[in-house]
Amino acid sequence: DAKTTQPTSMDCAEGRAANLPCNHSTISGNEYVYWYRQIHSQGPQYIIHGLKNNETNEMASLIITEDRKSSTLILPHATLRDTAVYYCIVAGGDYKLSFGAGTTVTVRA
Amino acid sequence: EAEVAQSPRYKITEKSQAVAFWCDPISGHATLYWYRQILGQGPELLVQFQDESVVDDSQLPKDRFSAERLKGVDSTLKIQPAELGDSAMYLCASSSSGLATDTQYFGPGTRLTVL
Repeated sequence: DAKTTQPTSMDCAEGRAANLPCNHSTISGNEYVYWYRQIHSQGPQYIIHGLKNNETNEMASLIITEDRKSSTLILPHATLRDTAVYYCIVAGGDYKLSFGAGTTVTVRA
Repeated sequence: EAEVAQSPRYKITEKSQAVAFWCDPISGHATLYWYRQILGQGPELLVQFQDESVVDDSQLPKDRFSAERLKGVDSTLKIQPAELGDSAMYLCASSSSGLATDTQYFGPGTRLTVL
């Protein structure tokens, strides 16, 4: 069973930041927060992951609350190519990814 | 950039027929995963290999599905006989060691349609 709750869908404007929320209130101390995305008809693509601290890479930033019960994925400057389903996943030492339904993000020009 | 290869990309078959999917992971990756993704849902793990050994096949319908990774490199997933409900995308992924901090890299998938 997925351990996360995400909005079903969201729209954002091209060039603006997209903030994708995720609730994971039952996360355990050794579990990481992962974000993947899946563009239509492609396999999922890794975006970023974190344990406690905020993380940033060339694709996105991950902000994890101090109590670790929620997080936000930030796409700093959304483009049309960022239109995809975004999955927030909590996984521990066995690293088994349990995908939920994700958030369908539509970037509009 | 190295990628996970899968073939075929698309497969149409009739129910009760046998089908097989092939996956070639990124070179050097010890862990290989097969997922099934039904339209509108997220991927579901079917089986996980560590080298040539099955680590987890708890969600694999073993009466009709089988998976092997004989030399610990490429892998084959087979369905026999196929049923209408098997229509889905079958995704293969690999990671270097299967640890929590390892990224899983996914292939493009095989879309199966059972008529």
